Amino acid sequence: EAQVTQNPRYLITVTGKKLTVTCSQNMNHEYMSWYRQDPGLGLRQIYYSMNVEVTDKGDVPEGYKVSRKEKRNFPLILESPSPNQTSLYFCASSSRLAFPPEQFFGPGTRLTVL
Amino acid sequence: SQQGEEDPQALSIQEGENATMNCSYKTSINNLQWYRQNSGRGLVHLILIRSNEREKHSGRLRVTLDTSKKSSSLLITASRAADTASYFCATLDDMRFGAGTRLTVKP
Repeated sequence: EAQVTQNPRYLITVTGKKLTVTCSQNMNHEYMSWYRQDPGLGLRQIYYSMNVEVTDKGDVPEGYKVSRKEKRNFPLILESPSPNQTSLYFCASSSRLAFPPEQFFGPGTRLTVL
Repeated sequence: SQQGEEDPQALSIQEGENATMNCSYKTSINNLQWYRQNSGRGLVHLILIRSNEREKHSGRLRVTLDTSKKSSSLLITASRAADTASYFCATLDDMRFGAGTRLTVKP
């Protein structure tokens, strides 16, 4: 089954404790991205990757890191989480070669930073 | 900055009624997409309309695009309780989403 998976789905952590949210897709998509969703603000793009070893900042990259060492994986790293990073996070992927290039979204990770 | 801005922010209707949501965008686009999100879940692609199209249909969905006004609308006809969700527009060019319209359909 074609899908985007994220882990963990729920996470409660404390300020400053490094964490990684994994994202994996099995559709051989070139493009992957991370969004955070906050009430009243919709989805805001954090980082995106056009292909392996190619990553770029989105609209709200501060406090986050990503890597794209393999095509299928695109982990989101919070080196020193802060309470303002409490949010619902979505990973998405798409093929830039397909039309329409719709984005396939993961199920979301709800992060709480105390 | 957000590219797509949906309006209204929230909409509540009775089952069977039609629901209309609007989206405005800032820059020129090649395509615009509408997505649906059930509470707390990922977005699901609904429909895409190209910049050279004015109207597109898919089942109970009708999307219009007015490039001169930089706006699009999504109409859901004969709404059902299962249509309760948030709806987002996104410009394909930069994949930016607005805050969405939260639709509630009462049975």
